[in-house]
Amino acid sequence: AQSVTQPDIHITVSEGASLELRCNYSYGATPYLFWYVQSPGQGLQLLLKYFSGDTLVQGIKGFEAEFKRSQSSFNLRKPSVHWSDAAEYFCAVGAKGNTGKLIFGQGTTLQVKP
Amino acid sequence: NAGVMQNPRHLVRRRGQEARLRCSPMKGHSHVYWYRQLPEEGLKFMVYLQKENIIDESGMPKERFSAEFPKEGPSILRIQQVVRGDSAAYFCASSPNPQSSTEAFFGQGTRLTVV
Repeated sequence: AQSVTQPDIHITVSEGASLELRCNYSYGATPYLFWYVQSPGQGLQLLLKYFSGDTLVQGIKGFEAEFKRSQSSFNLRKPSVHWSDAAEYFCAVGAKGNTGKLIFGQGTTLQVKP
Repeated sequence: NAGVMQNPRHLVRRRGQEARLRCSPMKGHSHVYWYRQLPEEGLKFMVYLQKENIIDESGMPKERFSAEFPKEGPSILRIQQVVRGDSAAYFCASSPNPQSSTEAFFGQGTRLTVV
């Protein structure tokens, strides 16, 4: 079955600390992978995406993610977290030819301690 | 270029009433997707529409839910005889061409509360 798993429901980090959010997927076709961020009561903003090519992708707000096909993972990283990064983060997978139909993970809520 | 516009942002309905959620895609986008986000969960795909056509409704509940995307005007997600379990955030996304290497763009969502 196709699925996306975000193993960590809640993560708390101190401001300035590094961050890694995990994402594992199960998908039959070549995956297109996305990370979105959602602030409370808001819509989804795309942080970054991977379609092909370099497996380390850079996104907005200083985020990056690495696609590891052998591990079926697409973990999100940031070297130094800011208080404004507190939000919910969603990993999603889609298919070439239908990039609007996505399977989302359950999300990881990030809290940032001062 | 305005983004994907959804209205209303918040909607309160009593059990048994109808809810109509509207989505205007980005200019030049003719593909629309609807998603539902239940509390404490991720988004779940409901339906994919092109102008005047339903392409994929594999995620739509079998009863009470319908969607359309007419030739003119916004896409509408309609929920008849709402129940408490329909309370959720409903998101719309639009794409110019899903076969191209581009992502879909999401609206701000409509928060439906059934009382």
